[in-house]
Amino acid sequence: NAGVTQTPKFQVLKTGQSMTLQCAQDMNHEYMSWYRQDPGMGLRLIHYSVGAGITDQGEVPNGYNVSRSTTEDFPLRLLSAAPSQTSVYFCASSAGAPQDRPFSPLHFGNGTRLTVT
Amino acid sequence: AQKVTQAQTEISVVEKEDVTLDCVYETRDTTYYLFWYKQPPSGELVFLIRRNSFDEQNEISGRYSWNFQKSTSSFNFTITASQVVDSAVYFCALSPLYSTLTFGKGTMLLVSP
Repeated sequence: NAGVTQTPKFQVLKTGQSMTLQCAQDMNHEYMSWYRQDPGMGLRLIHYSVGAGITDQGEVPNGYNVSRSTTEDFPLRLLSAAPSQTSVYFCASSAGAPQDRPFSPLHFGNGTRLTVT
Repeated sequence: AQKVTQAQTEISVVEKEDVTLDCVYETRDTTYYLFWYKQPPSGELVFLIRRNSFDEQNEISGRYSWNFQKSTSSFNFTITASQVVDSAVYFCALSPLYSTLTFGKGTMLLVSP
């Protein structure tokens, strides 16, 4: 019963490095999303996808890239890491996009703690 | 635009005390859902409850209860006889039909033995 799986759990990067945070779900959910959690800021939406081949920007998309080639996977790419991207990142999925199926709760992964030095 | 306000940033109680976490929301939509999520110290976010805008019945689940009042745009969460395991950050979220999901900034609850 995996649900939403995120890897890695922890990562340290140097400024300017790139990396990909992985997210996979086995619930056949159409909607997937990435959030970052920072102290005092709550959860902020980075990017989301309503289905394979479709992605869109959230509240804080700058410096991040996503793609959705399959229903199961939704990787988040940091193109050139900056200290401001130090955060905890959560991937979440649901049966439908909140805009269309507002009753669907989000299922979250366990998070990735990223530090950029 | 919609907004979710969790005015209590941190709450500290002693075990067995009752505690209420406040959530006030703003939306112009008439069809929406409200959620509570729990984030324990281990870090994962867990869905607790959902309520739709047409159902103002309060809900009780064991020690947990939720009070939804449209007249005050509030969806408050009460824990009765709190326990150390209730220590977590609790997030309230608003999901209107045809609009984006909005989270509050969260309330950290610390229950001491």
